[in-house]
Amino acid sequence: GESVGLHLPTLSVQEGDNSIINCAYSNSASDYFIWYKQESGKGPQFIIDIRSNMDKRQGQRVTVLLNKTVKHLSLQIAATQPGDSAVYFCAERSASKIIFGSGTRLSIRP
Amino acid sequence: DTAVSQTPKYLVTQMGNDKSIKCEQNLGHDTMYWYKQDSKKFLKIMFSYNNKELIINETVPNRFSPKSPDKAHLNLHINSLELGDSAVYFCASKAGVPTDTQYFGPGTRLTVL
Repeated sequence: GESVGLHLPTLSVQEGDNSIINCAYSNSASDYFIWYKQESGKGPQFIIDIRSNMDKRQGQRVTVLLNKTVKHLSLQIAATQPGDSAVYFCAERSASKIIFGSGTRLSIRP
Repeated sequence: DTAVSQTPKYLVTQMGNDKSIKCEQNLGHDTMYWYKQDSKKFLKIMFSYNNKELIINETVPNRFSPKSPDKAHLNLHINSLELGDSAVYFCASKAGVPTDTQYFGPGTRLTVL
């Protein structure tokens, strides 16, 4: 199997509950933010994005919140399902470059 | 009809060897990337090409040489492989402005023995 990222923060959530994954970004000049989901053995997959002129954006079962004052981004997943188990990355666009955060592992309890 | 594909999926090789990883995208994107993901899942950009031209070259040993024969392909050649090169390598491509959404390939797990 795949090696475990022992230093990855892990969020354990009961199936059906809401999940909130947090991310602190580094550059106050970043103008675009993205959340990616990476399932075991696969590449990262786009979930949702938000521009710096917005503070909230909703998708299907997911919501991204942006707080530029404290340089904080969060991903909310409603009614978490077993298929949501993955590592979640936030990413920021800074000086035309996309910089990925360190990732959070979401684990679902039955 | 895979959007971004990489070959091989697994690569096991001895130290000192030279190996290549291939990437192809059928999305019509102009920009392609190579990322390295370590055992802690940290994703670090290595290179970016736009329309066959190198635009980002992070601090990567010159043993790594990307080659883009056309805008749909970005290959990665690695000379004199070292133990520390063991990682998962992801290729990605990007649609243009205003979005920066990148589409990732399935990854190539490189193990150097």
